[in-house]
Amino acid sequence: IAGITQAPTSQILAAGRRMTLRCTQDMRHNAMYWYRQDLGLGLRLIHYSNTAGTTGKGEVPDGYSVSRANTDDFPLTLASAVPSQTSVYFCASSDGHTGELFFGEGSRLTVL
Amino acid sequence: GQNIDQPTEMTATEGAIVQINCTYQTSGFNGLFWYQQHAGEAPTFLSYNVLDGLEEKGRFSSFLSRSKGYSYLLLKELQMKDSASYLCAVKDSNYQLIWGAGTKLIIKP
Repeated sequence: IAGITQAPTSQILAAGRRMTLRCTQDMRHNAMYWYRQDLGLGLRLIHYSNTAGTTGKGEVPDGYSVSRANTDDFPLTLASAVPSQTSVYFCASSDGHTGELFFGEGSRLTVL
Repeated sequence: GQNIDQPTEMTATEGAIVQINCTYQTSGFNGLFWYQQHAGEAPTFLSYNVLDGLEEKGRFSSFLSRSKGYSYLLLKELQMKDSASYLCAVKDSNYQLIWGAGTKLIIKP
């Protein structure tokens, strides 16, 4: 089934550790996004990429980095995790026509 | 600043109709989306409005008034599986999505 795959589904890690959340899509969408979702808040954009080779900062980029080496993959890296980065992370892509977003199943990250 | 407002929680009865409102204040407007999100799952697309008026899709309808900065999602013949959070999102002048915090809809038998 075509779609977006995220890994890991869930992770607990110690503060200060480096962590990469993986995201792969097989829909050949140009645009990809990373969001975090916290209770009581709307989805907040961390980073985005309009096409392979380009990335941009969203609303809450500090402490996160991304790369877009090819169309399919868009990993999100936390260089040195802090407890405030405890959240559910969603990767999404869009085809650029209606702008409808297709989401991965999410990665639940707990930083202790 | 940019803001999307929607009620935090609503309760309705199975078989009834419910209307979830969304008001927005954004820098520009390039469309409004509604997404459904079941607990522990990813959001899924419900509707997209860019022009004023009502868009109907089965049991779900979405309305937009750009002059009032207002939209609603109407759910008819409610089923237990409609228990979920409903997210309103507006695409601003930079084509970035601004998200509301979501409305948790509880359906009672």
